[in-house]
Amino acid sequence: DADVTQTPRNRITKTGKRIMLECSQTKGHDRMYWYRQDPGLGLRLIYYSFDVKDINKGEISDGYSVSRQAQAKFSLSLESAIPNQTALYFCATSDSVRFEQFFGPGTRLTVL
Amino acid sequence: AQSVTQPDIHITVSEGASLELRCNYSYGATPYLFWYVQSPGQGLQLLLKYFSGDTLVQGIKGFEAEFKRSQSSFNLRKPSVHWSDAAEYFCAVGVKSKLTFGTGTRLQVTL
Repeated sequence: DADVTQTPRNRITKTGKRIMLECSQTKGHDRMYWYRQDPGLGLRLIYYSFDVKDINKGEISDGYSVSRQAQAKFSLSLESAIPNQTALYFCATSDSVRFEQFFGPGTRLTVL
Repeated sequence: AQSVTQPDIHITVSEGASLELRCNYSYGATPYLFWYVQSPGQGLQLLLKYFSGDTLVQGIKGFEAEFKRSQSSFNLRKPSVHWSDAAEYFCAVGVKSKLTFGTGTRLQVTL
């Protein structure tokens, strides 16, 4: 089984719809992250969480919100999706010692 | 704030040829440095990392990278490229447990 899973893997939605992307991990890590990837821009940090009660905005948090339901679960929501949120979204985890991040397989989101 | 520059958007090499992918970073101190690889349709996989110590680090799949403080660089190398190395490569700098990524270099391998 994969250590970091993301659901759904693909999603097509319409402008104005609310969307939730989910991330679960079995690595036992306390830190979780959400990134978006756009061609030519690399990965940019949306939100991160160092434990269940700690949520922080990243570089591009506008239009997004997150929920850390448990140590192993971290969800990303788009309250009202817009076309420029079309991107590949990645969840990642790390522990507080080794710092290296482990990535999920990604969710490809298309907003029409 | 830290930043990462990968000056080469796209590189093409022949199978069996050597490879060097460039990465330059900007940060006031020595950060943690990483190289990740993304194969088509896949997530990111860690190739190698530098935290401290020996400036030449070995990674998976025969890759290595050298940290040069004077040049603020962390270039990725492989002596002989295989067709399966075709992918996108990302350099990243880690500060306070957050990663800042470069824009990536896409590697094409010709047979």
